[in-house]
Amino acid sequence: DGGITQSPKYLFRKEGQNVTLSCEQNLNHDAMYWYRQDPGQGLRLIYYSQIVNDFQKGDIAEGYSVSREKKESFPLTVTSAQKNPTAFYLCASSKGQVNSPLHFGNGTRLTVT
Amino acid sequence: SQELEQSPQSLIVQEGKNLTINCTSSKTLYGLYWYKQKYGEGLIFLMMLQKGGEEKSHEKITAKLDEKKQQSSLHITASQPSHAGIYLCGADRTGANSKLTFGKGITLSVRP
Repeated sequence: DGGITQSPKYLFRKEGQNVTLSCEQNLNHDAMYWYRQDPGQGLRLIYYSQIVNDFQKGDIAEGYSVSREKKESFPLTVTSAQKNPTAFYLCASSKGQVNSPLHFGNGTRLTVT
Repeated sequence: SQELEQSPQSLIVQEGKNLTINCTSSKTLYGLYWYKQKYGEGLIFLMMLQKGGEEKSHEKITAKLDEKKQQSSLHITASQPSHAGIYLCGADRTGANSKLTFGKGITLSVRP
């Protein structure tokens, strides 16, 4: 079945360490997105990519980096520069056209202590 | 300021009751999407509304978009425990691509 796979489900890191969250899709979607979800704040867009080898900053890109070397993959690196990295991270993909719904993965819960 | 306001913030209903939740924008939207989320999981796409006055239904859930394309409502008929979860509205603000802005979500609890 086609879908979006995020791994791992839970991730624990020490403060000061970079960590990379995986996102893979087999829906043949052109566009991919990373959102962060915090209690009481809804979803906020970190980065998005509409085509391979190209990506744009979202509303809260500081402290994060991404790459889009393959259509299927859009990994997110949470760097030590991100001041409040503990959150629930959601990856999504879409056909990239106007009025194309986003399809979401099951998320990765990152805890940094 | 929050560009998409959802109300109420949370809702508890008795099983079998009807309910309505809302999503409001200060600006005209190009598309409005409703999603449902179970705590700690991803978002499940419910419905998309594009045209002013549009209404769509799926099983016991009906979503409407007003004529000005600034407000949407989601109505659940005869609620069931399976309807419990977080309902989020997402909006296309530019019409240029599929990037969405989301509201904070509404937590729905259904008492058996």
